[in-house]
Amino acid sequence: EAQVTQNPRYLITVTGKKLTVTCSQNMNHEYMSWYRQDPGLGLRQIYYSMNVEVTDKGDVPEGYKVSRKEKRNFPLILESPSPNQTSLYFCASSLRDNTEAFFGQGTRLTVV
Amino acid sequence: RKEVEQDPGPFNVPEGATVAFNCTYSNSASQSFFWYRQDCRKEPKLLMSVYSSGNEDGRFTAQLNRASQYISLLIRDSKLSDSATYLCVVRWGGYNKLIFGAGTRLAVHP
Repeated sequence: EAQVTQNPRYLITVTGKKLTVTCSQNMNHEYMSWYRQDPGLGLRQIYYSMNVEVTDKGDVPEGYKVSRKEKRNFPLILESPSPNQTSLYFCASSLRDNTEAFFGQGTRLTVV
Repeated sequence: RKEVEQDPGPFNVPEGATVAFNCTYSNSASQSFFWYRQDCRKEPKLLMSVYSSGNEDGRFTAQLNRASQYISLLIRDSKLSDSATYLCVVRWGGYNKLIFGAGTRLAVHP
């Protein structure tokens, strides 16, 4: 089954404790992105990747890192999480930049 | 001004009603337009792309007005299963730059 898989689905952590949210897609898509969704603000892009080893900042990259060492994986790293990073995070992939974006099921992160 | 603006709703309508959502975008260089559907606490899923000539998919009709920079979605004969949040999405030039509206919530009641 074609899908985008994120883990974990839910995470509660403390300020400053490094964490990684994994994202994997099995559709051989070139483009992958990370978004955060906050009430009243819609989804905002954090980082995106056009292909292996090619990444760039989105609209809200501060406090986040990404890597794209393999085509299928695009992990999101929070080196020192803060409470303002409490949010619902989605990973997405698409075949090309103008085709349908497929989303993972989301990761609900709470930083206390 | 937000880059993509939508009426947040909620729109509360009875089954069988026709409901229309509008969305405006600020960047005249926007290239592609979409409506996504998001169920509560779930991931967004593509409902339909929006083409310049307008397009229809069953009970759903999407329209684009480039001159006025707005997009619309019309849902006819609403079903209970149409209850969800509808996201207006605009793609700018460049790589996978999707701009999402905050969404319009629809609640269809019996």
